[in-house]
Amino acid sequence: AQKVTQAQTEISVVEKEDVTLDCVYETRDTTYYLFWYKQPPSGELVFLIRRNSFDEQNEISGRYSWNFQKSTSSFNFTITASQVVDSAVYFCALSPHTGGFKTIFGAGTRLFVKA
Amino acid sequence: DGGITQSPKYLFRKEGQNVTLSCEQNLNHDAMYWYRQDPGQGLRLIYYSQIVNDFQKGDIAEGYSVSREKKESFPLTVTSAQKNPTAFYLCASRVSVGDTREGYTFGSGTRLTVV
Repeated sequence: AQKVTQAQTEISVVEKEDVTLDCVYETRDTTYYLFWYKQPPSGELVFLIRRNSFDEQNEISGRYSWNFQKSTSSFNFTITASQVVDSAVYFCALSPHTGGFKTIFGAGTRLFVKA
Repeated sequence: DGGITQSPKYLFRKEGQNVTLSCEQNLNHDAMYWYRQDPGQGLRLIYYSQIVNDFQKGDIAEGYSVSREKKESFPLTVTSAQKNPTAFYLCASRVSVGDTREGYTFGSGTRLTVV
């Protein structure tokens, strides 16, 4: 079965705190891609990052960083020094190479950053 | 700028009515998708299309219909057979269905409410 689990439904932090959003996935494919999307209140999902299954290097982009660990099937997302503008729903997604080329989305984590 | 345009932003449907949600893209993408978003459930795939005049059912196609007469356009009709249509509908595209490494480009969504 192909599945993405985001166990944290909602997270609330105070501005400048660091926060980690968890993502655990299941797939039998050896080739797959993982994604994170941000959905601000406007509704449109915005692509943040893509990772392929053969590249376990962590990535940092400004205040955002991603930790991909195949051993635990996790692709966690950390926001450092959070800001109010980071308030959004964040989705983790899996694109297996098989399975009809469907992308499987997690249920999302709603992040509230308070000033 | 290239992107996806969804209209209307808000739509109200009476019981027994069919309504059509518009999705237009100018990205020259072959693949287009319709997702439904309900609170706490992430995104669920309704229909997708790989090419003009072709479309496939997703996981929750019952009560919905689509057409793909032009590459740029992929309208979704919510029929009276859909018993619980109140949701947020997102249209997405990517270069091709088979290109699993690519993330989606999303529209800003249509919020449909049954009155």
